[in-house]
Amino acid sequence: QVQLQESGPGLVKPSETLSLTCTVSGDSINNSGYYWGWIRQPPGKGLEWIGSIYYSGSTYYNPSLKSRVTISVNTSKNQFSLNLNSVAAADTAVYYCARHAFRFAPGYWGQGTLVTVSS
Amino acid sequence: DIVMTQTPLSSPVTLGQPASISCRSSQSLVHSDGNTYLSWLQQRPGQPPRLLIYKVSNRFSGVPERFSGSGAGTDFTLKISRVEAEDVGVYYCTQATQFPWTFGQGTKVEIK
Repeated sequence: QVQLQESGPGLVKPSETLSLTCTVSGDSINNSGYYWGWIRQPPGKGLEWIGSIYYSGSTYYNPSLKSRVTISVNTSKNQFSLNLNSVAAADTAVYYCARHAFRFAPGYWGQGTLVTVSS
Repeated sequence: DIVMTQTPLSSPVTLGQPASISCRSSQSLVHSDGNTYLSWLQQRPGQPPRLLIYKVSNRFSGVPERFSGSGAGTDFTLKISRVEAEDVGVYYCTQATQFPWTFGQGTKVEIK
C-alpha cells in the first residue's frame, strides 16, 4: 500500500521560506509510471495544485507560484520536497503531497500538514 | 487558466436518495490525444481528498459502484445513486487537460 507523509515546520515567518518533505513508502519514487506532487488548501477553502516532479527531475509548476516554488526529489531517501520562498499570510494552508499519473488526479495523498505563516 | 464551476455549492440529501453534482469548464477538456482529463474527488471532514472518478467516467480502485461520472466537452456530472452516511463531505471536480491543473470550488453534500 502506497503511503505518503508530509513533514516540516508548522509555523513560518512572513518573507521566509516554507520547506516541506514528503516521505514515500510502499512505492519507489523511481517508479517510472508516476509523478509526485504538492497541492495546498487554505483553511475552509478549495484546492490549489502547486506543482509536480518526475523521478528524473522534470518539474511542472503552477504559473501563479512558479517564481517562488522549487520541488526536488531525493531518490536515495525516497523523498521529495517543496520549497516556497517569500511567504505571506495567504500561503497559510494545509499542504498535501500526492502521487499521480501524468494528467491524472492523485490516487494517493498524504494526510496533509498545516503550515501557518505568521510572525 | 481553465475555470471549473460547480453547481450546486451545497446539496442536502436524504439517505438512500440520489444526488447529482454538475461541473462546467470554461474551455473544452478534450485533449489533443483524444482523452478528457476530468476527475472527481471526495473530501470527508478532516480527511485528505480521495480520488473517485478519473477520465470522466472511470471509477478508481475501491470506489463503490453507486458513484458514477458522465459528460463530455465542457459539461460533466457526478451522480451518487443512493446516498449513504459516509458520503457526507465536499466533492471537487478537477481538470488536468491543460496546465495549470485547476479545481472546482467544491460542493458540500450533507444529510437532511
